[in-house]
Amino acid sequence: NASVTQTPKFRILKIGQSMTLQCAQDMNHNYMYWYRQDPGMGLKLIYYSVGAVITDKGEVPNVYNVSRSTTEDFPLRLELAAPSQTSVYFCASTSSGGALREQFFGPGTRLTVL
Amino acid sequence: AQSVTQPDIHITVSEGASLELRCNYSYGATPYLFWYVQSPGQGLQLLLKYFSGDTLVQGIKGFEAEFKRSQSSFNLRKPSVHWSDAAEYFCAVGLYNQGGKLIFGQGTELSVKP
Repeated sequence: NASVTQTPKFRILKIGQSMTLQCAQDMNHNYMYWYRQDPGMGLKLIYYSVGAVITDKGEVPNVYNVSRSTTEDFPLRLELAAPSQTSVYFCASTSSGGALREQFFGPGTRLTVL
Repeated sequence: AQSVTQPDIHITVSEGASLELRCNYSYGATPYLFWYVQSPGQGLQLLLKYFSGDTLVQGIKGFEAEFKRSQSSFNLRKPSVHWSDAAEYFCAVGLYNQGGKLIFGQGTELSVKP
C-alpha cells in the first residue's frame, strides 16, 4: 500500500543534541511537508518542498533544516535541541496541485527534549 | 492573516446521537477546506474536502460538511455517532498559492458515551 513512513517513532534527546527525523513516501508525490503538533494544538507547518529541489519555511521559527535530494525523501534536521522542540512531528505529502489535493500523513515521530 | 478556529475543544455525545463540530475560517480568497481525523497515536486521515461547487460535501465514515460563505464556516456533521468515531478532529484551510500548505484549527476532541 502507498504510504508515508517516518522514523523513528519515539526519541528522547538531551539539550544540545542533534538528530534527523526521516520521512519517505512511495507515491511519487511532488509536494512534501513537515508539521509539528504541540499538546492541545493543531498542526503547525515547519517546512514544505515542491519538487526535489525547492524548499520554503512555514510559520515556525527557524530552528530546523531540511533537504530534498530525491523525490521520495524529505528529512528534517534538528540542531542543538531545546525543550521547546518537544513535540510530535508529522510528515505529509501530496501530488502536484498542492491545496487541491489530499495530503497523506505519516504516523508521526514523538520527540522529547530533556 | 489566514486562520482557522474550532470553538469547541472537547465535545461528548452519546452513541447514536447526532454530531456537529464547528469550524470558522479567515481567508481572503475562495478557501480550500478540509476536515481531518486523528485517532490516538495515529497520523491524520482526510474525512472530506471542499473546493468549489455544491456546498454540502460528503465524506468517508458517514460524515458530511456544509460550506457557508456568508458565515465563513465549514461545520462537520454526522447523523448518528458510533463509538469508533471517538478521536480528534481538525479543520484546515489549504493555501493554493503557498505550496498547498494547510493552516489547521486547534482541534476538537470527541468523546462518545455508550
